[in-house]
Amino acid sequence: KNEVEQSPQNLTAQEGEFITINCSYSVGISALHWLQQHPGGGIVSLFMLSSGKKKHGRLIATINIQEKHSSLHITASHPRDSAVYICAVNYNFNKFYFGSGTKLNVKP
Amino acid sequence: EAGVAQSPRYKIIEKRQSVAFWCNPISGHATLYWYQQILGQGPKLLIQFQNNGVVDDSQLPKDRFSAERLKGVDSTLKIQPAKLEDSAVYLCASSYDVKNIQYFGAGTRLSVL
Repeated sequence: KNEVEQSPQNLTAQEGEFITINCSYSVGISALHWLQQHPGGGIVSLFMLSSGKKKHGRLIATINIQEKHSSLHITASHPRDSAVYICAVNYNFNKFYFGSGTKLNVKP
Repeated sequence: EAGVAQSPRYKIIEKRQSVAFWCNPISGHATLYWYQQILGQGPKLLIQFQNNGVVDDSQLPKDRFSAERLKGVDSTLKIQPAKLEDSAVYLCASSYDVKNIQYFGAGTRLSVL
């Protein structure tokens, strides 16, 4: 059974806070993706990773293959980070499955 | 670099009608994806092309949905006939190949009345 679980579903933070969004999956994968979706629908790929850790600006993504778990961290959060963050996994570089997303609201 | 182009942006039809969506991926991208995103849910992969061949269409409702990418560049997704539950945003994405990140189009919002 292929499942992608994200937590929390909703997250409200104050500007400047450190934020963590979690993603768990059920079977071995070839890659995990973190996506950002702003109101209005546009989706941007943030990270694609299969091991270890990646960093881009204030965003950090980690993955633990043994525990089948990934985290997305946002340091020094800002209101413009408000969006839905979606975790997706793929098997054999196809068979994509998406989580239902974490809605983040960063208040000034 | 031009992004992934989709048209139309919005479409309203009545149930049992037909509708088609068009996608032009980023130049040079071999892999093209069509997703369905129902309000409040994550995207669901409908079909994945590698050049003009289908890699995965296991979640495509083939009794009413069809897609093609004849020349390995742009692609069309068709629904015939549409049902109320097809109301969703249809997203197209492309990547250089299956091991690279995807770039998404703005989507087509379909309302079936």
